[in-house]
Amino acid sequence: GAGVSQTPSNKVTEKGKYVELRCDPISGHTALYWYRQSLGQGPEFLIYFQGTGAADDSGLPNDRFFAVRPEGSVSTLKIQRTERGDSAVYLCASSSNQGFADTQYFGPGTRLTVL
Amino acid sequence: GIQVEQSPPDLILQEGANSTLRCNFSDSVNNLQWFHQNPWGQLINLFYIPSGTKQNGRLSATTVATERYSLLYISSSQTTDSGVYFCAVVSYNTDKLIFGTGTRLQVFP
Repeated sequence: GAGVSQTPSNKVTEKGKYVELRCDPISGHTALYWYRQSLGQGPEFLIYFQGTGAADDSGLPNDRFFAVRPEGSVSTLKIQRTERGDSAVYLCASSSNQGFADTQYFGPGTRLTVL
Repeated sequence: GIQVEQSPPDLILQEGANSTLRCNFSDSVNNLQWFHQNPWGQLINLFYIPSGTKQNGRLSATTVATERYSLLYISSSQTTDSGVYFCAVVSYNTDKLIFGTGTRLQVFP
């Protein structure tokens, strides 16, 4: 079946602009996660959804970052007033229903470049 | 928080060689996964292995939870094995998947 998909695959924006990144999880997966990977490092946790609600958003770096999952499937990560330091690959993952104790499957990522 | 360290940081092999990658973690875990990040950036699941031993083709993994380490074995390496290998864990005291520092593997023909 289809894996986790993310759009766009690449996004170039200017400092100060607003961006939205989309994640489509594996069908039927109730848990959804966002991570951020900077060059040369491993992915870092941003936020975790169980269904429609954010169960843990402690990884969001500041209030410019926000994520929603209104119908418990597709999720959107929103970044306001982008800064050059936001440049990274944003990864989405999903798992069936056990949250962090279950296998997480990752999408291909969105590479965000802030000029 | 939990610390996850991988070794070696870099590994260069000739095709056909075998290798062992190590992941040490500083606390008890209820989730441990090995991933291969290919040169295009895709994170590919290799194993979900919070304890015990699993094998999948040329790859196998062993986690000794009581001693807080996991090993990934790659036999008869191929050029397509090149990339970065990450170990990631969730400890009982947190609910976050924490990635290790990674091992960058290059396999030459």
